[in-house]
Amino acid sequence: AQSVTQLGSHVSVSEGALVLLRCNYSSSVPPYLFWYVQYPNQGLQLLLKYTTGATLVKGINGFEAEFKKSETSFHLTKPSAHMSDAAEYFCAVSDLGGGSNYKLTFGKGTLLTVNP
Amino acid sequence: DAMVIQNPRYQVTQFGKPVTLSCSQTLNHNVMYWYQQKSSQAPKLLFHYYDKDFNNEADTPDNFQSRRPNTSFCFLDIRSPGLGDAAMYLCATSSRDSLLAQHFGDGTRLSIL
Repeated sequence: AQSVTQLGSHVSVSEGALVLLRCNYSSSVPPYLFWYVQYPNQGLQLLLKYTTGATLVKGINGFEAEFKKSETSFHLTKPSAHMSDAAEYFCAVSDLGGGSNYKLTFGKGTLLTVNP
Repeated sequence: DAMVIQNPRYQVTQFGKPVTLSCSQTLNHNVMYWYQQKSSQAPKLLFHYYDKDFNNEADTPDNFQSRRPNTSFCFLDIRSPGLGDAAMYLCATSSRDSLLAQHFGDGTRLSIL
């Protein structure tokens, strides 16, 4: 069974500072990994995904994440935080399992606040 | 733009009064999901359809039902809403072509009086 652990339920950074949101996963098969962002009273928006190939994945809004198999991690980074980045971020893992397993396992989320 | 649309965005119902939430998609994805999300929590999967095949999560209460009359539409029926069912309900879609990435609607926020 898969699982996702997001370290830190709340991260606070200053505008212009580095954003680092941590995600570790557990999966019995090669995982597909995702980061989603959720703004208040909205659905989840896909930021980026890792399936196969290049382990450094670039997403929207200047975010990127690196898949590290040896560390079972998929941390999300952005070099310079903007006020508009304030939101809830969810890491998720999916695997193809035995057949058509089309379900995601979400982490508990990390609330990012950006201080002026 | 292709998208997932949920109606209504806000729904208020009375304790015990049946309510239906709707979801439509123009992505032509074969998988559709319903999630329940409570404040400051991750989305919790209620069930999903793979084409017409319905897949219920083991811990989804019987009070929650779903219908998918065609590829584009999916409904969530709550037969007798309780106060604990107040939440955001999210619809999502995916397909193998999307490499399992799920596309979410903006959700319906359900309040129970």
